[in-house]
Amino acid sequence: DTAVSQTPKYLVTQMGNDKSIKCEQNLGHDTMYWYKQDSKKFLKIMFSYNNKELIINETVPNRFSPKSPDKAHLNLHINSLELGDSAVYFCASSQSFRASAEAFFGQGTRLTVV
Amino acid sequence: AQTVTQSQPEMSVQEAETVTLSCTYDTSESDYYLFWYKQPPSRQMILVIRQEAYKQQNATENRFSVNFQKAAKSFSLKISDSQLGDAAMYFCAYRSLNRDDKIIFGKGTRLHILP
Repeated sequence: DTAVSQTPKYLVTQMGNDKSIKCEQNLGHDTMYWYKQDSKKFLKIMFSYNNKELIINETVPNRFSPKSPDKAHLNLHINSLELGDSAVYFCASSQSFRASAEAFFGQGTRLTVV
Repeated sequence: AQTVTQSQPEMSVQEAETVTLSCTYDTSESDYYLFWYKQPPSRQMILVIRQEAYKQQNATENRFSVNFQKAAKSFSLKISDSQLGDAAMYFCAYRSLNRDDKIIFGKGTRLHILP
């Protein structure tokens, strides 16, 4: 019973295409995140949502648009993909304000833009 | 803004020995959480240990323990009796308890276990 699941696990696409990554959590958490892990393994936060409200948007190009239809889902849509978008994208969830501090991560989506 | 620094990009340790991974952070907040996450080749991010800043006692989880020095803003991870399965990237992370409630990661330390 996967706690945080994201699909697809691998995504290979051509430059200029539009793609989406889906994320769902069944932990009842109220906060969800998207992180980007580059080729040097650096994990950088992109977005966070709390109860469907955007809290953090970290200088991400506006080609990236998160959507949270409900607090259990946070999807990431990317327009006009570029070579530099190739990375592993992680979805994560946590409970805000002390209740359970750690983030639980999905298995990551390896995006390759060719 | 908060920052997390891991000064050791790579480390190696002999199986069954003890190794310590370093982490320092910078913050003006008095209350926060600190974590160590492990990322094996499978890519999955696994929580190893967490520490609440308001607790003076160092957290321990089986073979994993931390040395939390709040005044020095230091949070090192000690792995005792290293096992082959401990080989992974280890990330130190900081979580603010403010409204913009983000978790910030260090750049990671790759740990090799030598048989």
